[in-house]
Amino acid sequence: DIVMTQSPDSLAVSLGERATINCKSSQSVLYGSNNKNYLAWYQLKPGQPPRLLIYWASTRESGVPDRFSGSGSGTDFTLTISSLQAEDVAVYYCQQYYSTPQTFGQGTKLEIK
Amino acid sequence: QVQLQESGPGLVKPSQTLSLTCTVSGDSISSGDYCWTWLRQPAGKGLEWIGRIYTSGTTNYNPSLKSRVTISVDTSKDQFSLNLSSVTAADTAVYYCVSGPLDAYYFNYWGQGTLVTVSS
Repeated sequence: DIVMTQSPDSLAVSLGERATINCKSSQSVLYGSNNKNYLAWYQLKPGQPPRLLIYWASTRESGVPDRFSGSGSGTDFTLTISSLQAEDVAVYYCQQYYSTPQTFGQGTKLEIK
Repeated sequence: QVQLQESGPGLVKPSQTLSLTCTVSGDSISSGDYCWTWLRQPAGKGLEWIGRIYTSGTTNYNPSLKSRVTISVDTSKDQFSLNLSSVTAADTAVYYCVSGPLDAYYFNYWGQGTLVTVSS
């Protein structure tokens, strides 16, 4: 199985400041034939189903605010929230869909400082 | 816009079989554009991929659960289902049915999730 490791486990950021969450995979999730990274990011809020934010490591899902961005390739990835809003308080997960079983990171809890 | 809704018992006794159904609306489950998946999240823990099914009936399961899991599809009812046998307290979790595009396996559609507790 590909192990996904996120850092940090929790993060407190002031409103309007940048938040950065990292995700590292135990093996590359870059598929050579199409040069795509099989990596997604999700946002989980209490009482709500998870929401897809980013797929192919850097493609923003329709309707996701442009303050959310994804970057990275191979084994190292980053989710960045450029200017934290109160509604961004949530737990964020990365997921690899390069191979089965698909696996998720342990989650990063984002709070307001 | 695909919508998913889980249904099934919220309480299952140890050693019994957990059975959940996901009803799909907004598009036909037979459209062939999606893959249908079950995930779960135990309290305080991360998300776990259980397995998936294609409209053709082809399935893939998590090896850690493979001996106990069956996922099936009923195209006439636009539903797919999860059966997990010989459950223990470790199977207590919120279970999600999800879907995503066939050419990739991220999940852009999620059910609300249903809590299943395994307890006598």
